[in-house]
Amino acid sequence: DGGITQSPKYLFRKEGQNVTLSCEQNLNHDAMYWYRQDPGQGLRLIYYSQIVNDFQKGDIAEGYSVSREKKESFPLTVTSAQKNPTAFYLCASSGREMNTEAFFGQGTRLTVV
Amino acid sequence: KQEVTQIPAALSVPEGENLVLNCSFTDSAIYNLQWFRQDPGKGLTSLLLIQSSQREQTSGRLNASLDKSSGRSTLYIAASQPGDSATYLCAVRAWGGATNKLIFGTGTLLAVQP
Repeated sequence: DGGITQSPKYLFRKEGQNVTLSCEQNLNHDAMYWYRQDPGQGLRLIYYSQIVNDFQKGDIAEGYSVSREKKESFPLTVTSAQKNPTAFYLCASSGREMNTEAFFGQGTRLTVV
Repeated sequence: KQEVTQIPAALSVPEGENLVLNCSFTDSAIYNLQWFRQDPGKGLTSLLLIQSSQREQTSGRLNASLDKSSGRSTLYIAASQPGDSATYLCAVRAWGGATNKLIFGTGTLLAVQP
């Protein structure tokens, strides 16, 4: 089945730790995105990538880092510099063209303990 | 700056009722608008995609319309069922530079009572 796989589903982070969220897609999409979702707020864009080895900061990139070494994969690292990381993280992908449909993974819930 | 608003924030209806969810956006320079459904604790499921040149799209009991000039879209759900209960989100893909991103509203939480 074609789709987007995020792992893990639940992740717990201790203070001062870096953690990495995985996102893999087999839709042959060029563009991939990371969004953060907090209760009562809309989805906010963290980072996006339109092609391998290239990515751009979104609206709330501070405290996060990404890489795009393969077309299928776009991992997100939540660093210790992110002061309020507890949230639901969603990965998405789409074709590079502006008129294409976006598809989302099932999300990773990150909790600071 | 493009902003997307969804009203109402929450809606409760009895089963079988037809209903309309609203989405408005401030800048008409968009490529397309997409409606999503989100169940609690889950990711987003794409429902309908309307290109900027289109007026409406239909899928089963769902019909989405787009009026770009007034900055509005509606999602019509016919003969609602308890299984339709979820949060519905709209998002626009906006023009502007080299960006290729979706801008989301905060969603409408729908409850269909049996």
